[in-house]
Amino acid sequence: DIQMTQSPSTLSASVGDRVSITCRASQSISSWLAWYQQKPGKAPKLLIYKASSLQSGVPSRFSGSGSGTEFTLTISSLQPDDFATYYCQHYNSDSRTFGQGTKLEIK
Amino acid sequence: EVQLLESGGGLVQPGGSLRLSCASSGFDFSNFGMSWVRQAPGKGLEWLSGITGSGTVTYYADSVKGRFRISRDNSKNTLYLQVNSLRTDDSAVYYCAKRLNGDHDVFDIWGQGTLVSVSS
Repeated sequence: DIQMTQSPSTLSASVGDRVSITCRASQSISSWLAWYQQKPGKAPKLLIYKASSLQSGVPSRFSGSGSGTEFTLTISSLQPDDFATYYCQHYNSDSRTFGQGTKLEIK
Repeated sequence: EVQLLESGGGLVQPGGSLRLSCASSGFDFSNFGMSWVRQAPGKGLEWLSGITGSGTVTYYADSVKGRFRISRDNSKNTLYLQVNSLRTDDSAVYYCAKRLNGDHDVFDIWGQGTLVSVSS
């Protein structure tokens, strides 16, 4: 099975900061990667799919990049609403695996 | 408004069974693949099972294969998950989720979740 590893596990940042979260796959997954945001007690929300495609309605400060085994979610200027946990997810016909999550905290 | 609403969770003893439901509205249910994803308390997300729009193809994570069964009734716009032989480590919030499009399990709409607690 393909394993997805996110780093860091926890990230402390301030409003206005530019932050990046990394997701690494145990083998090449082309661009079959999505990013989700989850707030406590709520369902996940899709942000990015196919590594870099912004989901409809998601603010443009969110962006995704990468291919193969290394991917990055970048938030260009943190807003108060962005403090949450972020998950990457690999998807293809044989595998649907989430990363362990990155908690983005207020510094 | 596109919406998913899960129900059927609850407290069950080890070895017991439950049938989870996910009622959909606001989109053409039969045209989209659906999945179940769970989240144990304080833990990450775990994909469990998926089903194509027609219901003819189902697939499972190894962790639940043989114990869980996914199905759908397109006439009722409802997705189901039959969960059997429950163990304490099956305790989690269970979410249903809709595929964004196409053949890939990336999920654009999620329900609010239903809590399953397995305890004696």
